[in-house]
Amino acid sequence: GEDVEQSLFLSVREGDSSVINCTYTDSSSTYLYWYKQEPGAGLQLLTYIFSNMDMKQDQRLTVLLNKKDKHLSLRIADTQTGDSAIYFCAENRDDKIIFGKGTRLHILP
Amino acid sequence: DVKVTQSSRYLVKRTGEKVFLECVQDMDHENMFWYRQDPGLGLRLIYFSYDVKMKEKGDIPEGYSVSREKKERFSLILESASTNQTSMYLCASSPTGLNTGELFFGEGSRLTVL
Repeated sequence: GEDVEQSLFLSVREGDSSVINCTYTDSSSTYLYWYKQEPGAGLQLLTYIFSNMDMKQDQRLTVLLNKKDKHLSLRIADTQTGDSAIYFCAENRDDKIIFGKGTRLHILP
Repeated sequence: DVKVTQSSRYLVKRTGEKVFLECVQDMDHENMFWYRQDPGLGLRLIYFSYDVKMKEKGDIPEGYSVSREKKERFSLILESASTNQTSMYLCASSPTGLNTGELFFGEGSRLTVL
């Protein structure tokens, strides 16, 4: 398909790990991105991964990239209430950034 | 820090009105973008611009136009607002040559068309 696909909703207990999955479309995308949107705000770049990497770790965040399957995931360890947000997967395609529909992460106490 | 400022956080307009949404960035970025965000549909690109006086159609340009008279300012225009243009509008900018292609977003303008 032509869309960047991700599930719309994820519910996780505080302290557990959250894993948000995404499939993208363009195997020639140089970068894949995760953006975070907190309530009432614009999007902010959370992390990105270069296409020649399999994994990137940044504190509580781990990004895994499977180029063969065009699959990208974001793992948030020890999920906190402040992680409650919408997370957008994105790819660069034809000099534009194409976004998925966003996954709303809900944190249970 | 890069700052992208959208002039209005909330607007309410009537069907048929002309609507201007303004966006200003202070980091001398060449590229500017307008997206709309709707529940369940994510972000959809309306128009973008790679330079002053340049504009390119995005995925959903119908019913919109844009203006880029100065490098720092990118305006989205709804010539005759309709109820299906009720949405959150997000402006973004990026510099040419930034290898990561990161976009810097404003906080959004929520438009309601009655």
